[in-house]
Amino acid sequence: AQKITQTQPGMFVQEKEAVTLDCTYDTSDPSYGLFWYKQPSSGEMIFLIYQGSYDQQNATEGRYSLNFQKARKSANLVISASQLGDSAMYFCAMRGNTNAGKSTFGDGTTLTVKP
Amino acid sequence: DTGVSQNPRHKITKRGQNVTFRCDPISEHNRLYWYRQTLGQGPEFLTYFQNEAQLEKSRLLSDRFSAERPKGSFSTLEIQRTEQGDSAMYLCASSLGDGKSTDTQYFGPGTRLTVL
Repeated sequence: AQKITQTQPGMFVQEKEAVTLDCTYDTSDPSYGLFWYKQPSSGEMIFLIYQGSYDQQNATEGRYSLNFQKARKSANLVISASQLGDSAMYFCAMRGNTNAGKSTFGDGTTLTVKP
Repeated sequence: DTGVSQNPRHKITKRGQNVTFRCDPISEHNRLYWYRQTLGQGPEFLTYFQNEAQLEKSRLLSDRFSAERPKGSFSTLEIQRTEQGDSAMYLCASSLGDGKSTDTQYFGPGTRLTVL
């Protein structure tokens, strides 16, 4: 079974500052992928970034980076230079190779960027 | 726009009625997924297709739920005899379908169902 835990229901950050959203996971699958999605109030899930369990380097995508610590089973999302448009719900998800059909999601973190 | 599309975007129905949602995936994607999301929670997996074959169904998918993907293109999700507990956002996603954990799922805008 797979489990994703996001312990921060809500986070606030000042515009132009960096923020870290926490994600821990649990799986028995030796090979897996970790994903972050953004869900604005409109409801659409927007893919942000991916990290493979065997990737040596942390993933980066523009202002998004993933702080992957395999031994601690954590995959935190770092957003640099926050913008007002970053205000949204953020979900961490994972998928294992042995059951690569479904993704397991956490309950999300609501990020509010203050001007 | 070549993203995942879903129709309708909103559906209000009375308890006991049947509803059907449609999802059109990204054209070259072989896999199509359905998720359900209730307020304050992350999406929960319902089912997925590889082309026209339905490969997995969650226990959440009761007998009142049925999904199809004829010809491996668009998919429909039907809920029969709706209950108030069915009120949720129904999300569709698609992916290339290479069977690996790197296979990124891209989501549609969702269909929000309200059962009165």
